Amino acid sequence: KAGVTQTPRYLIKTRGQQVTLSCSPISGHRSVSWYQQTPGQGLQFLFEYFSETQRNKGNFPGRFSGRQFSNSRSEMNVSTLELGDSALYLCASSTFPGTDNYEQYFGPGTRLTVT
Amino acid sequence: DQQVKQNSPSLSVQEGRISILNCDYTNSMFDYFLWYKKYPAEGPTFLISISSIKDKNEDGRFTVFLNKSAKHLSLHIVPSQPGDSAVYFCAAARGNTPLVFGKGTRLSVIA
Repeated sequence: KAGVTQTPRYLIKTRGQQVTLSCSPISGHRSVSWYQQTPGQGLQFLFEYFSETQRNKGNFPGRFSGRQFSNSRSEMNVSTLELGDSALYLCASSTFPGTDNYEQYFGPGTRLTVT
Repeated sequence: DQQVKQNSPSLSVQEGRISILNCDYTNSMFDYFLWYKKYPAEGPTFLISISSIKDKNEDGRFTVFLNKSAKHLSLHIVPSQPGDSAVYFCAAARGNTPLVFGKGTRLSVIA
């Protein structure tokens, strides 16, 4: 079974630009979550999508947005990039909570550098 | 308000011995608990999870114990191997709400 895949793996952008990151969840997983990881703040939750609907949202500005497609693939977009947006962006897919074994698997991440 | 706490920032264990990583939580409504292992600059790797209706779950060298009355869970790794050296995070979830992560414990397995 293939794991969570994220593209691209590395990205360099300049301030003011926008960026779109992509995530393909594990087959059969309908929930996709996005996280931002920085050395200072650790792992911070951005948002979660389930069946094409945003189900949960973290405390990030509106410049951060996402969507999920009918095949469960998800994208996140960051507009008007700031230097502080430099981070590792992680996507995670999970089984439906309510089963005996709730498991959430992370992808390898996209390393975004804003200059 | 830190709902999930890992009070030991680091732990050193000799190769072959048992590693015990601890986690406390405050929200008795959590339904699931998960453990992750993380290397620098990589995403967390899922290890094992447990439902709040169980008190033990094991998978190979990893066993998670849940004590609901004490709001405490622990991850046992037996036997510990040098490749287990990493930061370990516990996380908790309630229903469909996002995972809440602890701040992690750095495990060093000494050969």
